[in-house]
Amino acid sequence: AQKITQTQPGMFVQEKEAVTLDCTYDTSDQSYGLFWYKQPSSGEMIFLIYQGSYDEQNATEGRYSLNFQKARKSANLVISASQLGDSAMYFCAMREGVRDDKIIFGKGTRLHILP
Amino acid sequence: GAVVSQHPSWVICKSGTSVKIECRSLDFQATTMFWYRQFPKQSLMLMATSNEGSKATYEQGVEKDKFLINHASLTLSTLTVTSAHPEDSSFYICSARPYSGRVNNEQFFGPGTRLTVL
Repeated sequence: AQKITQTQPGMFVQEKEAVTLDCTYDTSDQSYGLFWYKQPSSGEMIFLIYQGSYDEQNATEGRYSLNFQKARKSANLVISASQLGDSAMYFCAMREGVRDDKIIFGKGTRLHILP
Repeated sequence: GAVVSQHPSWVICKSGTSVKIECRSLDFQATTMFWYRQFPKQSLMLMATSNEGSKATYEQGVEKDKFLINHASLTLSTLTVTSAHPEDSSFYICSARPYSGRVNNEQFFGPGTRLTVL
C-alpha cells in the first residue's frame, strides 16, 4: 500500500492565486514527520516545509503553509500568492518512527503557474 | 550552509562499463547518506541507506552487487553502478543527514547525476 498519496498529477493555477496541493499519508507510528519538497526542471530537491506529528500548530515558512489534519492523515501544502517561479514538481514525503532516517516520497504534483 | 554536491552531474557510458558517482557534504558531517533513483516524470525511489563505516542497507528489489555503495568518511559516499545497461539510465540523487541530528531529521539533497547508458 502506498504510504504517501498525492492525487493531483498536475495543476494549473493563475499567478497570484493561492494553491493547495493535496497529500495523504498512511502510518501506524505515533511519531512521524512530514515534508514537502520542490523540484524545478533543473532536478534539485528544495526543502520547503516540515511538520512533526506532535506539532500542535500548522507549520509555516513564508508563503508556504502546511495544513495538517492528523485525524484525516492529510498534510496539504498551501502556497499563497503564487508566482511564476513556483512552477515545478512538488513532492510530499514522510519519515516514520523516531530513529528511522528514511524519507518516503509521494508521486508528486506538477504545478503550472499561468501568467 | 548544508550544501551537498554530486559528481559528475551527468555521465554517458557504454553498456557494460561501471560508473562511479560521488556524493559529498561540503560544510557538515553526515552520519547517514541516502541514494535515490528517479525515472523521468516519476518520484524518487529510495535505493539504499549508507552509514559511515558500515555496510549500506538496501531497499527491497535493489541489487546489492549491481549498485555498490561505499561510505568511507563522514563527508563522502559513492555509488558505483557496475556493468551498466540501458535500463540503468536514470537520475540518481543523494541526500545527507547532518551528524548533529537535527530534530526533524532534515536531509539535504545533492543536485543529482543524470546517467545515460548507451
